[in-house]
Amino acid sequence: QVQLEQSGAGLLKPSETLSLTCVVYGGSFSGYYWSWIRQPPGKGLEWIGDINGGDTDYNPSLKSRITISQDTSKNQFSLKLTSVTVADTAVYYCARGRNWYFDLWGRANMVTVSS
Amino acid sequence: QSVLTQPPSVSAAPGQKVTISCSGSSSNIGNNQVSWYQQVPETAPKLLIHDNIYRPSGIPDRFSGSKSGTSAALGITGLQPGDEAYYFCLTWDTSLRARVFGGGTKLTVL
Repeated sequence: QVQLEQSGAGLLKPSETLSLTCVVYGGSFSGYYWSWIRQPPGKGLEWIGDINGGDTDYNPSLKSRITISQDTSKNQFSLKLTSVTVADTAVYYCARGRNWYFDLWGRANMVTVSS
Repeated sequence: QSVLTQPPSVSAAPGQKVTISCSGSSSNIGNNQVSWYQQVPETAPKLLIHDNIYRPSGIPDRFSGSKSGTSAALGITGLQPGDEAYYFCLTWDTSLRARVFGGGTKLTVL
């Protein structure tokens, strides 16, 4: 059974860089979109970006601050979000994507930005 | 504010049917596939419907999806207390070049 395990720092100060990693266990890494999604407290879901075969696609509203990368030898992909502010406080999910949907989600990381 | 509009809340009694709408435009729902997710608080979303109408393995046929023009809908029949959750729609927006979620609908089973 394929599982996604997320890890990364949970508490950041404004202007720091958020770094999260998602490891894919029990399944193939190739042939899918590997995605990051976030959900601010009490709000809806926001797509951050994808990586697929090395090609990336980012939410235009976050594009200047995002880097999504992958390490296929370790079956993992990562998110870096620079210059964080309080507005970046959210639950962050990694997910496996198909063309039009996400069929598998990680368990989430709560990331809080506070001075 | 999301480009996909969902009602903030819907409610119905156990055993009844409910429909949750997701309204968009020609740049998103009108020309792209829609998926639906169930999210119980404090847990990750779960895929219910993909490509407008298809249920993944393991999803009961009480859940159904439809799409017409620039709107999509999720139907749930035979409501159960365990169906109480938030429901989100998702599609691609060609103009924004982004995957976009609806704002979410809270389902209450009375």
